Formats: sequence, structure tokens, C-alpha cells
Amino acid sequence: NAGVTQTPKFQVLKTGQSMTLQCAQDMNHNSMYWYRQDPGMGLRLIYYSASEGTTDKGEVPNGYNVSRLNKREFSLRLESAAPSQTSVYFCASSENPRTSPTDTQYFGPGTRLTVL
Amino acid sequence: AQSVTQLGSHVSVSEGALVLLRCNYSSSVPPYLFWYVQYPNQGLQLLLKYTSAATLVKGINGFEAEFKKSETSFHLTKPSAHMSDAAEYFCAVTNTGFQKLVFGTGTRLLVSP
Repeated sequence: NAGVTQTPKFQVLKTGQSMTLQCAQDMNHNSMYWYRQDPGMGLRLIYYSASEGTTDKGEVPNGYNVSRLNKREFSLRLESAAPSQTSVYFCASSENPRTSPTDTQYFGPGTRLTVL
Repeated sequence: AQSVTQLGSHVSVSEGALVLLRCNYSSSVPPYLFWYVQYPNQGLQLLLKYTSAATLVKGINGFEAEFKKSETSFHLTKPSAHMSDAAEYFCAVTNTGFQKLVFGTGTRLLVSP
């Protein structure tokens, strides 16, 4: 099993450009998450998907959109990138947190995004 | 609202010394608490989690943490540091019906020979 995979690993954008970060998991998990990690701020939840077909805002959703394409895939889109979105983005998944809030979240390796 | 505070953005220890990383939480209802580790240029990996089954929780790589309700703490310890323990450690909390983790700001552990 590959676990949680993310593409691309690195990306440089100019202000105003758009892009989509891809995430896939092969563990048959119901829930998926997008976080951003910034120095000195830990990880902050951008969006999450409790199950296929549903998405909800997290702590810092402004400037982002998401799509839960199917049970395996959860993408994050930046429509008009801004320098404040320079960050490392992590995707995660967990099995069934609605019934077990202590389910482990499994993280991907991250995408390092720079917006100039 | 729930939150966690990690005291010390950097902790330095010598190889073989005790590791103590501090985490205090704030929650209006009984929390679920987690410690994650992040090695350089990698994603996060679960070390251990408090699920209310036992106050002393043992995790991977010799780490353990004790839940102390009276002190609202969940400090991470390891009796003897190894060079391979050098990484960033994050404490996280959730107490909702759905798992929306709130992370602390992280503590970078430096281990010297």
C-alpha cells in the first residue's frame, strides 16, 4: 500500500495563477483532510471531507476550494494564488472518525508551494 | 474552543538524556489527545494517542505520555534520547463528534552526541 500520495511535491506559482493539488489514498478511508503548515503555526485545517460526496470548511478555507472526486481522491484548488498561500500543504485520511474520533490520521508527504 | 499549547519551540538534549516535551490543552469537554512526529521533509506520523482508556499511554520508539486532567497536560517523555529522535513534535486535540484536529505550534527536538 502506498498510503496517502500527493502531487506535485514542489510548485512555484506567480500571483494570480491557479493550480490544483492532488491527493489520493489507498486505505479505503472514509474521511480526508487538507492542512497547511506554516513556520511557528503548526498545522491548520483548510477543508475536510467526512465521506464521499461531502466537504466542509476548516479553520482557514478562504482562497481555496476542494473536490472529493471519489472515495480515494480529494483535491485542493487555488483559483487565484496569493503570496500568503506560500506554505507546505498536507493531505491526510482516516478510516471512520464519525464513529471513532480517535482514529489515526495518516498524512501524505506534502506539497511545498511558493507563490511569487 | 479547544486548543493546545506547546511550551518551547526548541528543546535540546544530549544523546541518552531524558526527553520531555510539554503540551497543555484547553477543552470544555473531555478531550482526545495525540502526539505526532515529523521528520525532515516528511509528513506527520502518529506517535501515540489518549483515548480515555488509560492515563499513561505508550507509543512507538519508546515514547510515552501521561494524561493529567488536574493539570490539563499531556507531556511526552522518553527515558533516553537517540540521535534518530531529532524531529519536530506536534501535540493535537479533538473532542468533537468528528475528528477536526487542532494542532499545537510544534517543538523541534535537537539531539547532540
